[in-house]
Amino acid sequence: DTEVTQTPKHLVMGMTNKKSLKCEQHMGHRAMYWYKQKAKKPPELMFVYSYEKLSINESVPSRFSPECPNSSLLNLHLHALQPEDSALYLCASSQGYTRGGTEAFFGQGTRLTVV
Amino acid sequence: SQQGEEDPQALSIQEGENATMNCSYKTSINNLQWYRQNSGRGLVHLILIRSNEREKHSGRLRVTLDTSKKSSSLLITASRAADTASYFCAHANFGNEKLTFGTGTRLTIIP
Repeated sequence: DTEVTQTPKHLVMGMTNKKSLKCEQHMGHRAMYWYKQKAKKPPELMFVYSYEKLSINESVPSRFSPECPNSSLLNLHLHALQPEDSALYLCASSQGYTRGGTEAFFGQGTRLTVV
Repeated sequence: SQQGEEDPQALSIQEGENATMNCSYKTSINNLQWYRQNSGRGLVHLILIRSNEREKHSGRLRVTLDTSKKSSSLLITASRAADTASYFCAHANFGNEKLTFGTGTRLTIIP
């Protein structure tokens, strides 16, 4: 199984809503990532978890809250978002640096629209 | 910003021709990777070249790396309509899992 599964595929939320994005992988990868991608732009790194601990936070606003409940799951909790947060949110996983592999496997993304 | 730059931003070629895209980066790297993205969905890993390698091949793909110039190139030979996509380079740092993407090249193959 070389898949990273993201749910939901599409999400429309109001600025006062709370929602969560979910990501799952069963490849035994120990690093998991959240990226944000605006149209015609490259993916921008938001967070990296390594061995279920947050290892990189790219100065992301606190309205985005990541969570790694176990080695297979990664969540991104959303609260009080702004319309400019509308984007494609991509989850990825890799073996991890200490295991010699940073090749990332990506999910198909969640297209988020904030209204 | 540590983001890499790619050129050209967009490239249109006839089917069967070769496509070359270039990537530059700013930091010391552990490896450099190339990804393809179709229609704004998930990215697919194409090839990885380590910092101590100069050239690597995979099928119709050829990647070069020049660490002295902090640059890499991706060559796709005998292009096909299905190669139409956005291509991104991404560099990985030493010591952690940070993977930083370049600005990307939008490739269009004209049948």
